[in-house]
Amino acid sequence: DIQMTQSPSSLSASIGDRVTITCRASQGISTYLAWFQQKPGKAPKSLIYAASNLQSGVPSKFSGSGSGTDFTLTISNLQPEDFATYYCQQSDSYPRTFGQGTKLEIK
Amino acid sequence: EVQLLESGGGLVQPGGSLRLSCVASGFTFSDHYMDWVRQPPGKGLEWVGRVRNKANSYTTEYAASVKGRFTISRDDSKNSLSLQMNSLKTEDTAVYYCARGDMDVWGQGTTVTVSS
Repeated sequence: DIQMTQSPSSLSASIGDRVTITCRASQGISTYLAWFQQKPGKAPKSLIYAASNLQSGVPSKFSGSGSGTDFTLTISNLQPEDFATYYCQQSDSYPRTFGQGTKLEIK
Repeated sequence: EVQLLESGGGLVQPGGSLRLSCVASGFTFSDHYMDWVRQPPGKGLEWVGRVRNKANSYTTEYAASVKGRFTISRDDSKNSLSLQMNSLKTEDTAVYYCARGDMDVWGQGTTVTVSS
């Protein structure tokens, strides 16, 4: 199975900040990488697919990059609604696997 | 509006069975692969399995943790996805989500609790 490792596991930031979350795959996955946002008690929401493509309706403050084993999610100009848990997920092979999550909190 | 709506969750004893359903609307259900993903209380997301579309013979994939116990099926005539869960264990306790194949659309989730 492909293991997905996110860093950091938690992150404190202020309104207006720019933050970057990293996701590393245990083997190369090309750009078969997605990012999700989840708020407490809610279903995950798809943000980015194929490593760098924004889902329809997702604001451009979210951006993704990377290929192979190393990927990043960057969120600019943090607003209160951005504080949530973020997950990466690989779709290169089965079983699909998620990172452990990064909890983004307000400083 | 594109929507997925799960149902069927509840409390079940270890060793018991439960069947979850997910009804789709707002898109051509039959065109898409469909997934189940679960989230134990306070923990991260775990992919459960997938059923492909008719063009791909409705074949399935499962996580090792559920293979042989869970069965995913679909009824395209009813825009419906199912998850039959047998031989349930306490570690199957989770919120279960259905998701469209690329996980671009998710249901609101249904809670399964396995406890005596």
